[in-house]
Amino acid sequence: DIQMTQSPSSLPASLGERVTISCRASQGISNNLNWYQQKPDGTIKPLIYYTSNLQSGVPSRFSGSGSGTDYSLTISSLEPEDFAMYYCQQDASFPRTFGGGTKLELK
Amino acid sequence: EVQLVESGGGLVQPGRSMKLSCAASGFTFNNYDMAWVCQAPKKGLEWVATISYDGSSTYYRDSVKGRFTISRDNAKSTLYLQMDSLRSEDTATYYCAREDGITWGQGVMVTVSS
Repeated sequence: DIQMTQSPSSLPASLGERVTISCRASQGISNNLNWYQQKPDGTIKPLIYYTSNLQSGVPSRFSGSGSGTDYSLTISSLEPEDFAMYYCQQDASFPRTFGGGTKLELK
Repeated sequence: EVQLVESGGGLVQPGRSMKLSCAASGFTFNNYDMAWVCQAPKKGLEWVATISYDGSSTYYRDSVKGRFTISRDNAKSTLYLQMDSLRSEDTATYYCAREDGITWGQGVMVTVSS
């Protein structure tokens, strides 16, 4: 199974700040890496697919990058609605696996 | 509007069974692989199972193999998760999702407790 290690688990940040969340796979996943946002009410929103492609309707302040085993999600300037949980997920192989999550919270 | 609506959750005793349903609308259901993902209380997301667009292939996480069965009825645009021999550690919110991750349901809570 491919293990996904996400960091940090908690990220205090301020409005307008640029933040980056990292995700490391236990083996190469050939860019098959997705990012999701989860709000406190449980709603899950897809953000990025295949490492760097924005899902429809996702603001351009979100971006993704990476290759091999190392990937990242960057939010260029935090807006109030961005404070939430973020998860990476690999779909290179079964079983699909998620990172442990990053809680982005207001400093 | 693309939508997935789960139903069938609730409280169940250990060792018993429960069947979840997920009604899809707003897209051509039989064109897409579908999945179930769960989230235990205060924990992260965990993939549970995936079924191919035509139902011919299924995949499961190890902890549910032999106990859970994913299936679909393309005529009804509905995805199912039959959960047998339930354990307390299966307690979670279960989300139905398109395998490509574009669409997720709102989730349904399953509590396994005596």
